[in-house]
Amino acid sequence: QVQLQESGPGLVKPSQTLSLTCTVSGGSISSGSYYWSWIRQPAGKGLEWIGRIYTSGSTNYNPSLKSRVTISVDTSKNQFSLKLSSVTAADTAVYYCASNIVVVPAAISYFDYWGQGTLVTVSS
Amino acid sequence: DIQMTQSPSSLSASVGDRVTITCRASQSISSYLNWYQQKPGKAPKLLIYAASSLQSGVPSRFSGSGSGTDFTLTISSLQPEDFATYYCQQSYSTPPSFGQGTKLEIK
Repeated sequence: QVQLQESGPGLVKPSQTLSLTCTVSGGSISSGSYYWSWIRQPAGKGLEWIGRIYTSGSTNYNPSLKSRVTISVDTSKNQFSLKLSSVTAADTAVYYCASNIVVVPAAISYFDYWGQGTLVTVSS
Repeated sequence: DIQMTQSPSSLSASVGDRVTITCRASQSISSYLNWYQQKPGKAPKLLIYAASSLQSGVPSRFSGSGSGTDFTLTISSLQPEDFATYYCQQSYSTPPSFGQGTKLEIK
């Protein structure tokens, strides 16, 4: 069973860069069937997809955040990471990493495994 | 971007009730629709994928239907552990997007 675990600072100052890492266990991040995604959820609100990366390093980002987001992968460590620059209080949220299976050829896609989430607060 | 709208936003029901939650997409998404359950302080859990396929390990009282723009999640007989918030999510196009959630509360 695949498990994901987020790690990183819980407090980030405004205008700085939020950095989180997701460690994957119980499976290989190089599995060809999976993308690896970041999703966030402000307190009491809904879910927002931030972006995803494939094992090759190919990325897709939410246009609403694209100018500030970088997602990278380290296959040797079975990890992928999120960097969000120029943060404001609006970026305060629980950040989840999730596995995003894509079933070909129908291209059915869903988030099947999730980390427990990590709260990141943007405050001075 | 595709907008997903759920109704109702909240719902009160009793154990044993049959409950239906609706999700509407702003454009046709074929059957590229998934449903998740989220309990307080926990990550979302996948219930249904591709509109009507039950994820392994999910009780059979959960079912999904629909295609195009209109979808439903049905819980045939509510159990105490089913009180949670439910989200739909489209995977038809990038960025994938979620509905605003339906909070299912005990009556």
